Amino acid sequence: AQSVSQHNHHVILSEAASLELGCNYSYGGTVNLFWYVQYPGQHLQLLLKYFSGDPLVKGIKGFEAEFIKSKFSFNLRKPSVQWSDTAEYFCAVNPSSGTYKYIFGTGTRLKVLA
Amino acid sequence: EAGVAQSPRYKIIEKRQSVAFWCNPISGHATLYWYQQILGQGPKLLIQFQNNGVVDDSQLPKDRFSAERLKGVDSTLKIQPAKLEDSAVYLCASSRRGGLAGELFFGEGSRLTVL
Repeated sequence: AQSVSQHNHHVILSEAASLELGCNYSYGGTVNLFWYVQYPGQHLQLLLKYFSGDPLVKGIKGFEAEFIKSKFSFNLRKPSVQWSDTAEYFCAVNPSSGTYKYIFGTGTRLKVLA
Repeated sequence: EAGVAQSPRYKIIEKRQSVAFWCNPISGHATLYWYQQILGQGPKLLIQFQNNGVVDDSQLPKDRFSAERLKGVDSTLKIQPAKLEDSAVYLCASSRRGGLAGELFFGEGSRLTVL
């Protein structure tokens, strides 16, 4: 069965620290990949997405993610986090064929200390 | 453009009672999704509509959950009778073309507490 794994459930960082959140998926075919973010009290919103081409994608607010096909991974990175990055981050996979079902990981709760 | 609208935002019921949630997607979005998000878990797809037809309802507990999308616009998700384990946030999302090369737009969710 298709699945998405996010290894870090809770991460606490100080401001200006670097961030990397892991995401691995299990699916043998071509996929579209997403990172969604949910700020406290707000709805889920798209952070960045990968469909094809350059495996290093840049999103909003200085976030980027790298697709490594051989590792089935799509890790999220930010060189220097801010207090306002405190949120929950979800990785999602969407097979590029079939019903276009989106499968979400369990999420990583990030807390940035000021 | 207006976002995905959901109501009610919060609902508390006792087990064995029924509840209904409503969703109005972004205008023009053909695909509508209902997700269940239990505390500490990621969103789990319950049902996916393309216009007013069901594309995927494989994870919908059909003995108690039902959903419809009349006229291919807004949608209702019903739970009857509710169980304790149904306590969760019910998220509605929409996308333009079945998710093809697109993103999901989420509503703020409906938080259900079953006592």
